[in-house]
Amino acid sequence: AQSVSQHNHHVILSEAASLELGCNYSYGGTVNLFWYVQYPGQHLQLLLKYFSGDPLVKGIKGFEAEFIKSKFSFNLRKPSVQWSDTAEYFCASGGGFKTIFGAGTRLFVKA
Amino acid sequence: NAGVTQTPKFRILKIGQSMTLQCTQDMNHNYMYWYRQDPGMGLKLIYYSVGAGITDKGEVPNGYNVSRSTTEDFPLRLELAAPSQTSVYFCASSEHRDTNREQYFGPGTRLTVT
Repeated sequence: AQSVSQHNHHVILSEAASLELGCNYSYGGTVNLFWYVQYPGQHLQLLLKYFSGDPLVKGIKGFEAEFIKSKFSFNLRKPSVQWSDTAEYFCASGGGFKTIFGAGTRLFVKA
Repeated sequence: NAGVTQTPKFRILKIGQSMTLQCTQDMNHNYMYWYRQDPGMGLKLIYYSVGAGITDKGEVPNGYNVSRSTTEDFPLRLELAAPSQTSVYFCASSEHRDTNREQYFGPGTRLTVT
């Protein structure tokens, strides 16, 4: 069965620190990868997605992710986090009704 | 567009009670989904629909039922509530069968069964 693993369940950073959240997926044919974010009290929304082309994907709010096929990874990065980035981040693969979500990483950014 | 809307936002049920979680989308999406979110577990797919009149089970369908009489609405029914169904429920929709299309989520319903 396909799976998505997120390495860290909780991350605490100070403002301006760099962020990298790990995500590994099991291979399941066509690669479709997503990062969703859930801000406190809000619904999930898409940060970025990859399905082909340039393996470095730019998303909203300064986030980016790199698809590394050899490592089955799709890590999320941001050079300098802000307090407003406090949220839960979900990596997902597959798409549509085949979407598999990771367990999520709770990020808390200290002001 | 309002996007995906869900009602109610919060609900407390007693064991054995039933209820319907409502979900409506105004984006004319064919695909709709119900997920439950449990702490540390991510989102698990309960049921999905590929169009009006067509529904199918996801990963965790037991204890739930759905119907899809219109493109816009996709209600989730709990017939005999159990404590194990305490969770946050999200409805979502997507535009197309292509798996590279993202899902659009509703605000969620927090359900407690006691």
